[in-house]
Amino acid sequence: GAVVSQHPSWVICKSGTSVKIECRSLDFQATTMFWYRQFPKQSLMLMATSNEGSKATYEQGVEKDKFLINHASLTLSTLTVTSAHPEDSSFYICSATSRWRGGTDTQYFGPGTRLTVL
Amino acid sequence: GENVEQHPSTLSVQEGDSAVIKCTYSDSASNYFPWYKQELGKGPQLIIDIRSNVGEKKDQRIAVTLNKTAKHFSLHITETQPEDSAVYFCAVSSNTGKLIFGQGTTLQVKP
Repeated sequence: GAVVSQHPSWVICKSGTSVKIECRSLDFQATTMFWYRQFPKQSLMLMATSNEGSKATYEQGVEKDKFLINHASLTLSTLTVTSAHPEDSSFYICSATSRWRGGTDTQYFGPGTRLTVL
Repeated sequence: GENVEQHPSTLSVQEGDSAVIKCTYSDSASNYFPWYKQELGKGPQLIIDIRSNVGEKKDQRIAVTLNKTAKHFSLHITETQPEDSAVYFCAVSSNTGKLIFGQGTTLQVKP
């Protein structure tokens, strides 16, 4: 139980294009979803927090106009990297919490999406 | 803000030995302490967690201990197996719901 999926698992795009990553909670309703970025051999860095039906809250230093987050339903959040550049290449991971499952602090992570910008 | 320090950064043990990873945190209001295992190219997997009202929790070969006074908590893996080889992250959360992660520990279990 508590399965989170991401799509795509990997994507390669050209510099200047936009890429959308989906995060879904498959067997529970996620009241909150989080988006992280992880560079090679480094820890996870929180980018933003999103609650269903409301605007995402971005961490300091994360450009909200570049990383668009939409949390349209209790099972789906999307991250769009706009005008991607090579420095945006990274491993993007989402997580979800549910007040009905595990409590509001137990985060279940997706498998991640490897983004490579050429 | 919260600061989480994790040690060691790498750990190599022989199969069957125990492994211990330690984390310290700075915010005394923190009340939730999960441990995640991350295999190469995959997302983190929750392996055990503990809340501030508990001092120790065990799940088969894995245990976590928490010392709130000293603000540190540890992951203990007994009877290690090669499949335990991975990167392990501790994390800390307060009432904000956000997780602050440690730097990670690469565990290698040699057969």
